Amino acid sequence: GQNIDQPTEMTATEGAIVQINCTYQTSGFNGLFWYQQHAGEAPTFLSYNVLDGLEEKGRFSSFLSRSKGYSYLLLKELQMKDSASYLCAVRDPADKLIFGTGTRLQVFP
Amino acid sequence: DVKVTQSSRYLVKRTGEKVFLECVQDMDHENMFWYRQDPGLGLRLIYFSYDVKMKEKGDIPEGYSVSREKKERFSLILESASTNQTSMYLCASSRPGTSGVLQETQYFGPGTRLLVL
Repeated sequence: GQNIDQPTEMTATEGAIVQINCTYQTSGFNGLFWYQQHAGEAPTFLSYNVLDGLEEKGRFSSFLSRSKGYSYLLLKELQMKDSASYLCAVRDPADKLIFGTGTRLQVFP
Repeated sequence: DVKVTQSSRYLVKRTGEKVFLECVQDMDHENMFWYRQDPGLGLRLIYFSYDVKMKEKGDIPEGYSVSREKKERFSLILESASTNQTSMYLCASSRPGTSGVLQETQYFGPGTRLLVL
C-alpha cells in the first residue's frame, strides 16, 4: 500500500533551526514534494527532490534518500510567519500526489 | 503566475442537495485534481483528469462525480450531499510529468469550505 509518515506537530523558537522528517512507502516514485499551508489557505510549493541529496533554497532545504524512503525539510532562521503546516507528498508515475497528513509547526518568540 | 480559482470560498448546503464545485485554471494545464482535506487525514484524492472529457477515480470517489467539458474547467459534483461530506475541498492543476519539467508541481486553488447540514 501507500504510506507517508510525518510528525503531527512540532514547536520551535524564532531564529532556531527545525527539521521535519518524512518517511514513505509507495508503489512508485517520481519525486517528492514539500508544500507549506497556512491555516485556511491553499498549499504552496516549497521544494522538489527526485535524486538523492540536498536541495537548498534560501532558508529552506530538502533532503532525499530514495534507498531509505526518507526525506526531511530543514527550516533555518525561523520566523513567526513560518508557523504553518508542512505537507510531504510523493508523486507516483501517474502524476498523482500521495500526501502525508502534514506537520503543524508552531514558532514561538 | 499560475492561477487556480474556485467558485466559492464558503458554502452551506442541506442534506440531499445537489452541489456543484467549480474550478478554473488559466495555465492551459492538462492535469486537474480534486481533493478533500480533513483534520488528521490530510489531502485525499477524489477524482482527477488528464484531459478534456477524461476522468479517473482517486482514492475516495464514492458520493462524488466530476465533469471536464473544457480544458480549463473541472467540476466536482455531489449528487446528494451528506453530512460526512462536510470538508475543505481543494482543486489543483499541473502539466503532465512527461512535459519535460520534472519538478512540475501541482498548483492549488484557495479551497472551498463546505458545510452540509
